[in-house]
Amino acid sequence: DVKVTQSSRYLVKRTGEKVFLECVQDMDHENMFWYRQDPGLGLRLIYFSYDVKMKEKGDIPEGYSVSREKKERFSLILESASTNQTSMYLCASSPAMGNEKLFFGSGTQLSVL
Amino acid sequence: DQQVKQNSPSLSVQEGRISILNCDYTNSMFDYFLWYKKYPAEGPTFLISISSIKDKNEDGRFTVFLNKSAKHLSLHIVPSQPGDSAVYFCVKFYNFNKFYFGSGTKLNVKP
Repeated sequence: DVKVTQSSRYLVKRTGEKVFLECVQDMDHENMFWYRQDPGLGLRLIYFSYDVKMKEKGDIPEGYSVSREKKERFSLILESASTNQTSMYLCASSPAMGNEKLFFGSGTQLSVL
Repeated sequence: DQQVKQNSPSLSVQEGRISILNCDYTNSMFDYFLWYKKYPAEGPTFLISISSIKDKNEDGRFTVFLNKSAKHLSLHIVPSQPGDSAVYFCVKFYNFNKFYFGSGTKLNVKP
């Protein structure tokens, strides 16, 4: 079974802090994604990566950056956390371009106070 | 630009009856549509897909119908079971690696 692991289930940070959310997948997938889920808005794509060191902005990249130094690891960085970044963050991976199946981690609930 | 829209935030159905979840879409000719299911405290999981060249796809108790003229798709669950209680997302898959999620419909199947 594909496993996508997110480093923290719950995280509480202060406004202005730099926040790192880590995601690791164990199935050699090419593509990795970061989404945030907010009530009534579904899942919105922040960034995705289709190869090591390659990244592309999603629909809501403002205030975020990403890093993919190794194929299995995709990090989401909040440079200066703000209260409107309080959300559920979901990492996902997919095997390759054209594959419609996303495999998700169980999510990180981030609260920015 | 909302590419897929789920107008019903919630749906309640009796066990054994049919559940019908609806989704409207825009601007699509040769894309795939997917349904994902999400339980609390878990990530979404892939449920079923349909290509825009088909009008129906079936997998056990789950059937997805695509009405291209109305730009509408629906997921039917027959018979519904309490374990089907979850949030269901309609998803448009396009450009080979892009996924656009609807806002979700929370299904409650009552025993």
